[in-house]
Order: sequence, then C-alpha cells, then structure tokens
Amino acid sequence: EIVLTQSPATLSLSPGERATLSCRANQSVDTYLNWYQQKPGQAPSLLLYDASRRATGIPARFSGRGSGTDFTLTISSLEPEDFAVYYCQQRSNWPLTFGGGTKVEIK
Amino acid sequence: QVQLVQSGTEVKKPGASMKVSCKASGYIFTGYSMHWVRQAPGQGLEWMGWINAKSGVTNYVPKFQGRVTMTRDTSITTVYMELSGLRSDDTAMYYCARDDRLGLLDSWGQGTLITVSS
Repeated sequence: EIVLTQSPATLSLSPGERATLSCRANQSVDTYLNWYQQKPGQAPSLLLYDASRRATGIPARFSGRGSGTDFTLTISSLEPEDFAVYYCQQRSNWPLTFGGGTKVEIK
Repeated sequence: QVQLVQSGTEVKKPGASMKVSCKASGYIFTGYSMHWVRQAPGQGLEWMGWINAKSGVTNYVPKFQGRVTMTRDTSITTVYMELSGLRSDDTAMYYCARDDRLGLLDSWGQGTLITVSS
C-alpha cells in the first residue's frame, strides 16, 4: 500500500501567518491526492482534491500543489477557524490511505 | 444538500458485533458509492472499505476481511457497516463518507462512536 508521510506533525503559528504543510508518498500517486480538514469534535471535510482543486466553498487562501510523490498545502493567511488538523489522502491505488495528519495550532 | 446521518453511540463487549447505519439524503443514492473510515481516539484516519450503492459490490481492506460486512438498503437510502469479533482496539469513531469519484470522499457523516469494553 502507498504510505503518506505528513510533516511537520505540529505547526504553531499566529493568525495572519502563512502555513505550509507537506505530504510525501512512498511511490507516485500522480495528482490523485486530496486534503481534508478536521476541527475538534467534527468529522473531516474535503478541502482540496486532485492536488490543487478547491472543493466547493473553500476560500482562495487554501491552495495545493504537487504531483508524483511530493505535495504541499498552503494557507496564505491563517484565519482563526483554520486551526485544525489536516490530512492528505491518496486515491491513486487501493487501498485508499491517509497521512498521519498535521495539527495547525495557535502559537 | 447532501446529508449523511449516522446511528448513535454504542458500547460493546469484546467479542460482540456492532452495526452502524448511515442514512443518506439530498442526492441520488444509487449514483454514488459509500466509504467507511474509522478514527481511534487521538489517532489518524483509517480507511476500511466501500460499497457500491447501486450494485452492492464491496471492497474491504484485507485487515478487516472476514470481520466486516457492508450492505445497503436502497429503499431507505441507508448503508450499513457491521464489524464482528470486536476487540478493545476497535474502539473508535466510525464515519461513512460519500464517494464522488473513485476515492474522493466529498461528504461525511457526523460519526458514530463505538467503545469496546468489558
């Protein structure tokens, strides 16, 4: 199965700062890489799909890039509601797999 | 709008079985498959498998093969996930999630907490 490694595990930032999250696959997933946001006590929700496409209603401050094995999720300017855990997930190969998550916390 | 409403919290004894339901609304039920994902307390997300809501064909992660059964009832637009032989490490939040395009989970249920404890 494809293993996804996210880094860092925790990112401590202040509102207004830029967040850069990484997701690395142990083999190519082309651009079949999705990002999800999970706030405390809530279910995950789709943020970006196919590496760079924003899901419906997702603000433009969220962007994604990458292909093959290296991917980045960028939040250009953190809003209070963005402090959450972010997971990457690949749909290139079965089984679907998720990264371990990056927690973006308030500094 | 798409809504997935899951059944409520349960406490189970080791060795027992559990069955979680996921009631779908707001879209054509048979046009989309459904995934099941679980999350142990304080841990990440683990995909368990999926079911084609139209055909009923399933695909399970080998880890759960033999213990998990996913079914659906198209008449009431509901998907079920049954897990048998429960162990303490099955304690988790279980989510259903709609498949938009072969592994893209675009809408999620609110989750069902299953606690396995003697």
